[in-house]
Amino acid sequence: ETGVTQTPRHLVMGMTNKKSLKCEQHLGHNAMYWYKQSAKKPLELMFVYNFKEQTENNSVPSRFSPECPNSSHLFLHLHTLQPEDSALYLCASSQDAQAGELFFGEGSRLTVL
Amino acid sequence: AQTVTQSQPEMSVQEAETVTLSCTYDTSENNYYLFWYKQPPSRQMILVIRQEAYKQQNATENRFSVNFQKAAKSFSLKISDSQLGDTAMYFCAFMSRKDYKLSFGAGTTVTVRA
Repeated sequence: ETGVTQTPRHLVMGMTNKKSLKCEQHLGHNAMYWYKQSAKKPLELMFVYNFKEQTENNSVPSRFSPECPNSSHLFLHLHTLQPEDSALYLCASSQDAQAGELFFGEGSRLTVL
Repeated sequence: AQTVTQSQPEMSVQEAETVTLSCTYDTSENNYYLFWYKQPPSRQMILVIRQEAYKQQNATENRFSVNFQKAAKSFSLKISDSQLGDTAMYFCAFMSRKDYKLSFGAGTTVTVRA
């Protein structure tokens, strides 16, 4: 049983669709993260929330919109995406934003047609 | 962001043998953390081992050990007595103690052959 759960595991959407990715952590952590994983590239940090406050937006296009309603849940709202946005989106959590160890979910595989 | 370089995209090793993954990083800081993460196929990424820069002793976790060369900015991972379950992508990561941002390398895919 994973401490960080992501849904859906797979998502196919058109460029005009609006969808959301969900992440839930059961570890009592206070920091949550969205990363983008593309083939043969380093993981790209997208957003960081620490104690429900967004502390990092790594120059992410506005078609990606995060939401953190509480310290256990994190969403990534997707709107008007491009084919190059197709990737594995990883959610992670940590005790707080200064903790080095991240706990990852299994990822949401996104395909934009 | 700091630059983390993993120069080996793929490696293959026979079961029970040893494999060493290389990682170099670029920083002007003196105080930081280094990590190796493992991502098995279709499973979540997990922490394998961590090293604090101020510690001279190399970290060890069972069959996993590191060779930390601070002056050379090198942080290699050695997997001893490789097992089929070690097949995964391995990511080297750097965390500054100034901004606590975690920077990852591009990963090395390790395949353990039976």
